[in-house]
Amino acid sequence: EDQVTQSPEALRLQEGESSSLNCSYTVSGLRGLFWYRQDPGKGPEFLFTLYSAGEEKEKERLKATLTKKESFLHITAPKPEDSATYLCAVPPIKAAGNKLTFGGGTRVLVKP
Amino acid sequence: DTEVTQTPKHLVMGMTNKKSLKCEQHMGHRAMYWYKQKAKKPPELMFVYSYEKLSINESVPSRFSPECPNSSLLNLHLHALQPEDSALYLCASTPGPIRGQGRGSYTFGSGTRLTVV
Repeated sequence: EDQVTQSPEALRLQEGESSSLNCSYTVSGLRGLFWYRQDPGKGPEFLFTLYSAGEEKEKERLKATLTKKESFLHITAPKPEDSATYLCAVPPIKAAGNKLTFGGGTRVLVKP
Repeated sequence: DTEVTQTPKHLVMGMTNKKSLKCEQHMGHRAMYWYKQKAKKPPELMFVYSYEKLSINESVPSRFSPECPNSSLLNLHLHALQPEDSALYLCASTPGPIRGQGRGSYTFGSGTRLTVV
């Protein structure tokens, strides 16, 4: 069974204090790993898709990387508006339904 | 149009009420999903529709009844809910249900915040 684990559960940062979020996964075959950002009371907003080990994607202060066992989301010099819950997710190897298996999320709070 | 629109944004209903949640997308996506999300938890899949046919039901109680009238619309009919059903209900879509067609293309709506009293 696919498993996705995120750490830490919560992260408090000062504005400008860079940090990394971890997403480790156990899947029968990686079809891609997705990162989403979710603000309170809103739906997840797509950030990145990573498909193969060594791949990196960047968007503003966010950079996602992928190895064979885990993915990292690096937040460089964060601002208060980066406060959100960050979710990673993988689709299963089976074709049916494209169900996403989500990690538990990391709640990030950036203080000014 | 690259959005999934959900209505209403907020809903309060009694345990004997019947209500419906609506979801609409005009991206030509052929797979649509209902997820349920409790506070501080990740979304949990409820139903998947592929080409307007129900393809996955994650053992959801019958008080939740999904409907897909056409390729752009997805409804979730609610009846005799319990207070523990209070949650954020999310709709999502992907271009297709088949492996490879959904790559990086899950689009979520903003959700309906449901409170059962």
